[in-house]
Amino acid sequence: GNSVTQMEGPVTLSEEAFLTINCTYTATGYPSLFWYVQYPGEGLQLLLKATKADDKGSNKGFEATYRKETTSFHLEKGSVQVSDSAVYFCALSDNSGGGADGLTFGKGTHLIIQP
Amino acid sequence: GAGVSQSPSNKVTEKGKDVELRCDPISGHTALYWYRQRLGQGLEFLIYFQGNSAPDKSGLPSDRFSAERTGESVSTLTIQRTQQEDSAVYLCASSSRETWGSTLHFGNGTRLTVT
Repeated sequence: GNSVTQMEGPVTLSEEAFLTINCTYTATGYPSLFWYVQYPGEGLQLLLKATKADDKGSNKGFEATYRKETTSFHLEKGSVQVSDSAVYFCALSDNSGGGADGLTFGKGTHLIIQP
Repeated sequence: GAGVSQSPSNKVTEKGKDVELRCDPISGHTALYWYRQRLGQGLEFLIYFQGNSAPDKSGLPSDRFSAERTGESVSTLTIQRTQQEDSAVYLCASSSRETWGSTLHFGNGTRLTVT
């Protein structure tokens, strides 16, 4: 079956540090890949996505590149801010047309940015 | 515009009681999803509605769980005879399903605590 594995947190960084949150996946076919973010007290919201190999999703200074050869979709940001503190979820959709589009989420990574 | 609304935001109930959780999706979104997030775990898929029908109920953990949707709008998730292991955040999401790699729009969740 499909699965998403992401690094466990919490991840604690200082402001302006470089961020990488690793995400790898197992899926049949050609999934779409997503990063969702959950800020404190808010619901999950889409951060970025990529729908085919070598695509790069980007938003709010975050980037992730769909690497089919390594089945990865690592999230990166060059200089984090305190406001980036949140829980980040990597997810995939196997586009199978089945229940819930075959959406599978990782466990989430809690990111804490210290001033 | 209005996002996905869930109520109540917090619910504390005694073991054995029934609870009903409500979700108001974004207007016009035909697809509606329920997920459960236990402490330290990823998002666990429960059920998916397309319109008012639920083609995929595979994620419901037991027959104590049921869900319905009416008018292609509001959905309720009912848990009967609650158990302590039901304690979790219950998240609702909706999407328009216009394209592959559907973007889900999440509510803020209902935090259920069974004592």
